[in-house]
Formats: sequence, structure tokens, C-alpha cells
Amino acid sequence: KQEVTQIPAALSVPEGENLVLNCSFTDSAIYNLQWFRQDPGKGLTSLLLIQSSQREQTSGRLNASLDKSSGRSTLYIAASQPGDSATYLCAVRTGTASKLTFGTGTRLQVTL
Amino acid sequence: GAVVSQHPSWVICKSGTSVKIECRSLDFQATTMFWYRQFPKQSLMLMATSNEGSKATYEQGVEKDKFLINHASLTLSTLTVTSAHPEDSSFYICSARAPGRVSDTQYFGPGTRLTVL
Repeated sequence: KQEVTQIPAALSVPEGENLVLNCSFTDSAIYNLQWFRQDPGKGLTSLLLIQSSQREQTSGRLNASLDKSSGRSTLYIAASQPGDSATYLCAVRTGTASKLTFGTGTRLQVTL
Repeated sequence: GAVVSQHPSWVICKSGTSVKIECRSLDFQATTMFWYRQFPKQSLMLMATSNEGSKATYEQGVEKDKFLINHASLTLSTLTVTSAHPEDSSFYICSARAPGRVSDTQYFGPGTRLTVL
């Protein structure tokens, strides 16, 4: 059974800092991995999706990397802003059934 | 494109009543939709996979008679919480799979907050 863990559970940084969020998964036979953002009481916004054959994806200030063999992914956020404050979730798709297993999330607070 | 809506966005009901939540894909056809629940400060847990025109597939531990799922068309899936109890209070989120789109990704609805008194 796939298990996904995210570290740290919560993080507070001052504006402008670069930061890294970590995601690990137990079954390396994944189809893809996705990073989402969730604002309080809201749904999910997809940030980046990495296919199993890819090493990284970039979108603006966000960069996600994937090391499938070690069961790890990182989300790098450059020059953080208060608007980046949210919960970040990673999710892995294992197999072709399209089912996603979500991580425990990292609550990020970017302070002024 | 690829917008998923949910209705209602929040609902409060009395214990013992049934509540229906709708999930719609607005600009694409979704042969598969997924229903998740999320407890406060916890992650999303998949409840069931809904396939258009067939019975839903429930995850282990999810009572299919309590959480009725109907995927009657390619743009609509409904989740009915029957005989709701306070422990069913949660945030319910649906997603829709858009085959043929880039990466075969899932698009998520905004969620429905259910509070059972």
C-alpha cells in the first residue's frame, strides 16, 4: 500500500526566503507525482505534475524534482511571498487506475 | 478550461437526514470522477471512484450504503450521505479525470463543507 509523507508539517519563513518542501513515498513504482496548493477551506490547485520518466518540472518560482528510485520529491519555492501562504500537498499516482494517494501536507506561512 | 464545480459549497443538516452533493465538469466530459473527504488539518482520503454508467468502486472501510454515488452522465456525479451523523461532518472534494488532456490529470472541485448537527 502506497504511503506518502511530507516534511515538515508546518513551516514559517520571512518573505523573500527560498524554501524546500519534501515529499516521500514508499512504493517507487509510480506513474506520476503532483504538487497541489490548498488555501484554507478551499479546493486544490494543481501546481506541477511530474511524470515518472521526468526529473523535474518548473513553473515560475516553483521547481519540483523527482527521484523515483529513492521515493522522494521536493518542491522548491524561490523568493517566497505572503501570497504563497497555504497548505502544499503532494500526491502520487500508482499504476494506471488514476487513483491518487495524498501526502499529509505542509502548512506554509510566509511572513512580512 | 477543465473546470469542476461542486454544489452546495457548504451545508448544515440535522442528524439522521440525507444530504446530496453534486460534482460537475463544466467544460469537459469526465468518464471517471473521484470523491475524497478531508478532516480538519488532515490530508485527502479517497472514498470512491465513480465511473459513468457503472457502479462506483469504494475504498476499503468506506460504507457504500451510507455514501451513495451516482455517475449518471459524463458531466455529473453525485454523492449522497445517507442518515448523516455528526462524525460525517467533513470537507468533501470531488475530482474529475479528463482523458486525452495533457498528462491525463485530475481536476478538483472547490469542495463542500458538511456540518451535521
